[in-house]
Amino acid sequence: AQKVTQAQTEISVVEKEDVTLDCVYETRDTTYYLFWYKQPPSGELVFLIRRNSFDEQNEISGRYSWNFQKSTSSFNFTITASQVVDSAVYFCALSEWTGGGNKLTFGTGTQLKVEL
Amino acid sequence: DTGVSQNPRHKITKRGQNVTFRCDPISEHNRLYWYRQTLGQGPEFLTYFQNEAQLEKSRLLSDRFSAERPKGSFSTLEIQRTEQGDSAMYLCASSEQGSRETQYFGPGTRLLVL
Repeated sequence: AQKVTQAQTEISVVEKEDVTLDCVYETRDTTYYLFWYKQPPSGELVFLIRRNSFDEQNEISGRYSWNFQKSTSSFNFTITASQVVDSAVYFCALSEWTGGGNKLTFGTGTQLKVEL
Repeated sequence: DTGVSQNPRHKITKRGQNVTFRCDPISEHNRLYWYRQTLGQGPEFLTYFQNEAQLEKSRLLSDRFSAERPKGSFSTLEIQRTEQGDSAMYLCASSEQGSRETQYFGPGTRLLVL
């Protein structure tokens, strides 16, 4: 069975600090995809990034960066110079191919609070 | 291009009543997924459709739950004889057909069973 662990339940930082959200996953698939989603208080899950298991290059998008390490089964997410608008719950997810579609297995999420 | 929409956004019902939720996916997406999210947890997979065919159902989907996607466009999720344990956020997502496509989520329907 697939599993995603986000050990950090809640993180509080002061604006402009850098923050890293951890994600560790378990799967027996040799090919898999990992995702990060953001869930602001409004409730809608916003897609941030998708990574496949064959691509271990780190990715940067503005203030966001992702570090994928297959050797440690981790896919961590860093926000540089955090802003109040970054306050949300962030979910890491792993896709499982079921022969006709993909089920996403989510972690329990990390609540990020960015304060002035 | 509009995103995934869900109606209603909030629903309060009494235990034992039936409720129905609707999801309209992104127009060119032929896969549609339902998830349930309880407080403090990540979303959990319930079921999914490819066009009008329901291809998989989770064990979480008891006999009181039924989902349809009659014309391969919008989908409905019905819960019969609601119980307090059904209180949750019900999320719908859609995606294009592909081996590892990205799922885009709607705003969800928050259900409270009194």
